[in-house]
Amino acid sequence: QKEVEQNSGPLSVPEGAIASLNCTYSDRGSQSFFWYRQYSGKSPELIMSIYSNGDKEDGRFTAQLNKASQYVSLLIRDSQPSDSATYLCAVRNYTGGFKTIFGAGTRLFVKA
Amino acid sequence: DTGVSQDPRHKITKRGQNVTFRCDPISEHNRLYWYRQTLGQGPEFLTYFQNEAQLEKSRLLSDRFSAERPKGSFSTLEIQRTEQGDSAMYLCASSFMGDQGEAFFGQGTRLTVV
Repeated sequence: QKEVEQNSGPLSVPEGAIASLNCTYSDRGSQSFFWYRQYSGKSPELIMSIYSNGDKEDGRFTAQLNKASQYVSLLIRDSQPSDSATYLCAVRNYTGGFKTIFGAGTRLFVKA
Repeated sequence: DTGVSQDPRHKITKRGQNVTFRCDPISEHNRLYWYRQTLGQGPEFLTYFQNEAQLEKSRLLSDRFSAERPKGSFSTLEIQRTEQGDSAMYLCASSFMGDQGEAFFGQGTRLTVV
């Protein structure tokens, strides 16, 4: 079992729709959770972090965390073609060190 | 611009040669991380530093790889006797010390071993 699992996609949504990206993780002791966006050929860019159960909103982005289910998600409202990228879920358990483990990413295509 | 800076951006080398990459973190950040990423995969953890101390190194990292952060500022990653399988994007990130420190990445160094 991979430590952080994501559906590789591609996930295709029409412009203006809500894109829903999901991630599960295996380490129950994980405390910090991050979503990064990565455009083709570029490095990952941090878009959201979440540390406690529930929802966290930032503009068009909402991160959701459920530690009991070991599940974290990212919702993108009013999706734009410029949101087309790979979205990486990342998880950290700082009691075991500070390395952050990444999933393989979900490719998102937003159709104009 | 005070972001994470990596040099060079691209490196093409012949198999068997040694290569060294440099990373300059965000100046206030105590932690520095090295990752490797291949096509279609997420970043794979290699090693991280807290100030000048190398606190963790991936078990997957062969002895041909070594990293240093001599004064707790910039870091170097050296690959000796490169192999074609070393071709990848090498990413550096830095963060504040603290349990919730968010890591920010540099532009990466793309290595091609021919």
